[in-house]
Amino acid sequence: EVQLVESGGGLIQPGGSLRLSCAASALTVSTNYMNWVRQAPGKGLEWVSILHRDGGTYYADSVKGRFTISRDSSKNTLFLQMNSLRAEDTAVYYCVTNTNWHFDKWGQGTLVTVSS
Amino acid sequence: QTVVTQEPSFSVFPGGTVTLTCGLNSGSVSATYHPSWYQQTPGQAPRALIYNTNTRSSGVPDRFSGSILGNKAALTITGAQADDECTYYCVLYMGSGIWVFGGGTKLTVL
Repeated sequence: EVQLVESGGGLIQPGGSLRLSCAASALTVSTNYMNWVRQAPGKGLEWVSILHRDGGTYYADSVKGRFTISRDSSKNTLFLQMNSLRAEDTAVYYCVTNTNWHFDKWGQGTLVTVSS
Repeated sequence: QTVVTQEPSFSVFPGGTVTLTCGLNSGSVSATYHPSWYQQTPGQAPRALIYNTNTRSSGVPDRFSGSILGNKAALTITGAQADDECTYYCVLYMGSGIWVFGGGTKLTVL
């Protein structure tokens, strides 16, 4: 059974940096389209970024230039490096696969709180 | 800026049929946007229901169906049940690697 386990969330001050990790099992990160999707408290879902199998990366305008998605194939892990964090980045961050043009496998999420 | 629109809320009686829609602030939704639908209960990760307009995900009952209605994508629930009460999200592929979620529809089963 596919499992995606996010970690790295926590409380961080505005302007700070944080790196999220997503460890995958029964699935190879490097051969899948991997995403980060976030959800602010009490709000809807927001797509954040995708890492294509060929290494191409794409970002929502709200995070472009601040966030970087990457992977470590040897560890079968997806990352999201988040810099210059703002209060509006506070959310649960989900690691999600994209197969057949949809978001099919979701992790349980990790909470990032940006506050002073 | 592209905005994906959904009804903020909707109500349905048990056993009834409800159609939720997913549109664009400018333009029409078509199959080329690869519309997909997700169900989320509080405190849980979303679950995929429908993808590529009308393909049900594994294990999804056939009372959930997807389509294009007019200029929007649509999710129809036939024979609504109490445990269908939750929030439903659609997402569209905008091209150039970019995806945009709708704001979600909170469905109440009366």
